Amino acid sequence: DAKTTQPPSMDCAEGRAANLPCNHSTISGNEYVYWYRQIHSQGPQYIIHGLKNNETNEMASLIITEDRKSSTLILPHATLRDTAVYYCIVRSYTGGGNKLTFGTGTQLKVEL
Amino acid sequence: DGGITQSPKYLFRKEGQNVTLSCEQNLNHDAMYWYRQDPGQGLRLIYYSQIVNDFQKGDIAEGYSVSREKKESFPLTVTSAQKNPTAFYLCASSIMGPMNTGELFFGEGSRLTVL
Repeated sequence: DAKTTQPPSMDCAEGRAANLPCNHSTISGNEYVYWYRQIHSQGPQYIIHGLKNNETNEMASLIITEDRKSSTLILPHATLRDTAVYYCIVRSYTGGGNKLTFGTGTQLKVEL
Repeated sequence: DGGITQSPKYLFRKEGQNVTLSCEQNLNHDAMYWYRQDPGQGLRLIYYSQIVNDFQKGDIAEGYSVSREKKESFPLTVTSAQKNPTAFYLCASSIMGPMNTGELFFGEGSRLTVL
């Protein structure tokens, strides 16, 4: 599975959009981009995933560049409860289940 | 409610003792996983199982053992052979097959401290 690069930390004001970048320049054609978040001392929570089209759900939007070498997770109106570590992961659907590899992610701090 | 239950949430043990962490799911998922997380680090895969009575080593299986006698249960034993067992342990599950979206569902974790 392709390697990802994320900034170690970011700050965001409450109510503003939080834009979390992820580079995955070695991504291959059959690899999906996943985003999870982990609130302190809890299990990670799935947010969203996509292949090449932009995706939106009730939690966030995922913007994937046309060349698929990078993506951005957007939390449109960040709240204090969105403070967490955000993980960007790429993987393909192959045998072996969903063995996702979690790096160190981006620590997002939402402040008043 | 459907979900994954890990127990205990906190566990203290003396060095040299084996300890078993419980993971139960009622999501009817075929696959289950164990991850380890150290402070400030990402998650590392210990073991996973895609079907009852079968499991595979992950990236850091040494010093750990698992069993999968029932679909709902995937206990992890941290043995005395594990050099640095103090960590946060996370269990997860997922569906398999054509309906699989690649999503993992996690429990709330078990924090093991070896004194």
